[in-house]
Parts: sequence; structure tokens; C-alpha cells
Amino acid sequence: QQQVKQSPQSLIVQKGGIPIINCAYENTAFDYFPWYQQFPGKGPALLIAIRPDVSEKKEGRFTISFNKSAKQFSLHIMDSQPGDSATYFCAARHGGSQGNLIFGKGTKLSVKP
Amino acid sequence: GAGVSQSPRYKVAKRGQDVALRCDPISGHVSLFWYQQALGQGPEFLTYFQNEAQLDKSGLPSDRFFAERPEGSVSTLKIQRTQQEDSAVYLCASSLTGLIPYEQYFGPGTRLTVT
Repeated sequence: QQQVKQSPQSLIVQKGGIPIINCAYENTAFDYFPWYQQFPGKGPALLIAIRPDVSEKKEGRFTISFNKSAKQFSLHIMDSQPGDSATYFCAARHGGSQGNLIFGKGTKLSVKP
Repeated sequence: GAGVSQSPRYKVAKRGQDVALRCDPISGHVSLFWYQQALGQGPEFLTYFQNEAQLDKSGLPSDRFFAERPEGSVSTLKIQRTQQEDSAVYLCASSLTGLIPYEQYFGPGTRLTVT
């Protein structure tokens, strides 16, 4: 059973567009939701994260929207650039566990010039 | 300071060989995690250390997988009698503690190919 469901699998946008990546979860014990960006041949890099007591968080061009009642959260990338082309992963941490993250399957984003 | 480093970056092993993968976490980070990332998938948890104590090894896929962190810093993931299904990228992540803010920082990974 996949604990964190991510969509879409791939996404193509034009430069300046606002790609949106969505994630859904079932386990209400999750207490921390990070997004990671991964370029080919590199490890995942922490982009932005949110805790469930907050509905929105912005860092630069990246925004997380969090809907606790719907058990969904999403990543918005404002004014997207070709350099944002990468694979994005949402994740969730199980509260009370040792802290390991459970990842979605990833979204491959391509930003066209 | 320096980030998480891993070595080797690439490893090719013949089926049945033993391999050892090394992780150097960020200095002072108490928590250390190993993940396995199959091609086109998200990372999947293997095991967790708090200092030198291995507190969770529930994600290790078989008893051929073994991890240690004897002095609470560098960690080694060992895979015995490698199989083709072990081919993946092995990622190490470290975190200052297991408490808020929970941020985990990943290394570049070791790509293991078993032929």
C-alpha cells in the first residue's frame, strides 16, 4: 500500500508557468511534509517543508499548500525556469517513529524555454 | 561545512560478491538514515541510526544487508552475496537530531550495478 501518492508522474510547462505537483496521504500520524528536488546523478536536495499546523509556506518561488482535512498537499513553483527541470519528490514523516521519510514516486518536471 | 559524502559513487559487482558502501554524514549530525532508490522511483527507507545505535532496521530487504556506525559518525552499508535485484542507488541522509525541525540532508548516493 502506497502511503504517499504523488501526481502527475510527469509535467511539461513553458518558462514562466506555474507547475503544480500534488500529494495525498492516508496516515494522520504523519507530522512533517518535505519536498525534495533531484537532478540526474545527484542526491535529493531539500527544497521546502511544512508541518500540519500550517496551511501554506513560501520560500522564494516555491510554495507548499497544505489541506489537513483533505490529507493533501501540493508544491507550486512560481515563474518556473528551465533550470527547475528536475524530478520532485514529496515525502512524509511518521510522527513518533524514528524519523524516516516515506516518499512519493516522483514527478519529472520539464520547463521549456 | 561539507555536506553528506558517499563513496564509492559507482560500484559494479558480479552476482555473489560482497560490497561495502560508505557514508560520511554532516559533522555533528546525530541521526543517519540509509535509503534505496530504484530507477524511476522514490527513495525507500532501509535503516536508521541514532549515534552508534541502530534503532530501526525494518526496511532492510534481507539478511544479506547489514549496516553499522561503530563510532557514531561514519556508517557502512554492507551487502553480502549481491543479487541483480540489489541494483539501485543507495542514499545516505543525516539529520542534526531526530527532533524538530526534522530536516534530512542527502548525499549524492552510490549507484550499485550487479551483473
